[in-house]
Amino acid sequence: AQSVTQLGSHVSVSEGALVLLRCNYSSSVPPYLFWYVQYPNQGLQLLLKYTTGATLVKGINGFEAEFKKSETSFHLTKPSAHMSDAAEYFCAVGYFGNEKLTFGTGTRLTIIP
Amino acid sequence: GAGVSQSPRYKVAKRGQDVALRCDPISGHVSLFWYQQALGQGPEFLTYFQNEAQLDKSGLPSDRFFAERPEGSVSTLKIQRTQQEDSAVYLCASSLKGEPQHFGDGTRLSIL
Repeated sequence: AQSVTQLGSHVSVSEGALVLLRCNYSSSVPPYLFWYVQYPNQGLQLLLKYTTGATLVKGINGFEAEFKKSETSFHLTKPSAHMSDAAEYFCAVGYFGNEKLTFGTGTRLTIIP
Repeated sequence: GAGVSQSPRYKVAKRGQDVALRCDPISGHVSLFWYQQALGQGPEFLTYFQNEAQLDKSGLPSDRFFAERPEGSVSTLKIQRTQQEDSAVYLCASSLKGEPQHFGDGTRLSIL
């Protein structure tokens, strides 16, 4: 069984400050990990993914995440927040051979001007 | 190119009515998924198709929920005898096999 925990349902950061959104997972097999962003009344857009290889993954819009197996974590970061980053962010886990994703409950990111 | 298209975007139904939600995946995508997203929650898996074959329906909450993809392209999620707890956003996603999923904008279903 797989599960995802996103610590902090709401995160607020000032414009230009570091963004850190936390994700921990549980999986009995090597995981595939994803971050998606959801804007109001829209579907989910893929930010980045980790499957195998390099543990530091770069995505769109300046986001990156690092897979840390020892900590079972896949935290999302961005060095400098922009107003347009305000949205809901979801971490998800899957694995090779099983296409479905298990999502966390999401973190709503607010950017303070 | 065109993304995943879902219709209708909004659906209001009275309790006990049947509803049908449509998903047009990205052309050529063999994998198609349905998820249910309750208010303030993350999406939860309902069912998965590879072409026309429904390979996993473990997430369907009851036998009132039925999904089909008869020609391996367009899919329909049907909910019979709707109940208030069925109110949610229903998301469809498609992908090439083994590649990340692309999501539609969803259908917001409200049961009165």
